[in-house]
Amino acid sequence: ELKVEQNPLFLSMQEGKNYTIYCNYSTTSDRLYWYRQDPGKSLESLFVLLSNGAVKQEGRLMASLDTKARLSTLHITAAVHDLSATYFCAVDFLYKLTFGKGTLLTVNP
Amino acid sequence: KAGVTQTPRYLIKTRGQQVTLSCSPISGHRSVSWYQQTPGQGLQFLFEYFSETQRNKGNFPGRFSGRQFSNSRSEMNVSTLELGDSALYLCASSSWTGQETQYFGPGTRLLVL
Repeated sequence: ELKVEQNPLFLSMQEGKNYTIYCNYSTTSDRLYWYRQDPGKSLESLFVLLSNGAVKQEGRLMASLDTKARLSTLHITAAVHDLSATYFCAVDFLYKLTFGKGTLLTVNP
Repeated sequence: KAGVTQTPRYLIKTRGQQVTLSCSPISGHRSVSWYQQTPGQGLQFLFEYFSETQRNKGNFPGRFSGRQFSNSRSEMNVSTLELGDSALYLCASSSWTGQETQYFGPGTRLLVL
């Protein structure tokens, strides 16, 4: 059974600081997704990573994928309050997404 | 283009009843997946349909079923509701070209009393 582990599960950051969320998974897959969820809302797609070494950046967020290490990272640069949300990674295998438990990110002034 | 739509958005049912949720995918998308989200178990895969065929199913009891119509719209049904079925049910659609993400709808929030 595919397992996806995210850490940390809770992250309290100060505005302006940098941090990284890690996503480890247990089986070979070339497709990994990052989603954002605001309280009471649905999932918003952030990044699709499709191959080893893939790197995507959007604003203060950058995601990367190392399929050999079965590891993806979501790096946050100079955090701002608007980034406060829960972030999920999900691995695509056999037509289904297996999600990590999510990282609740709180950015404090 | 229009996103994934789900109806109803909110639902209150009592134990033992059944419920049907509906999902309309993005135009042109032939794959529809369903997920259950609860605080305790997180996001769990229910099933995926592509061109009216179920290609994968999660570890849920047989009370949970789904189908997809020829226009790609999908429904899921839960029979004999239990308190533990209270959750946010999310539908996602994809073109499955291999290059795209799955796009999620707003969800149906089900409360079982």
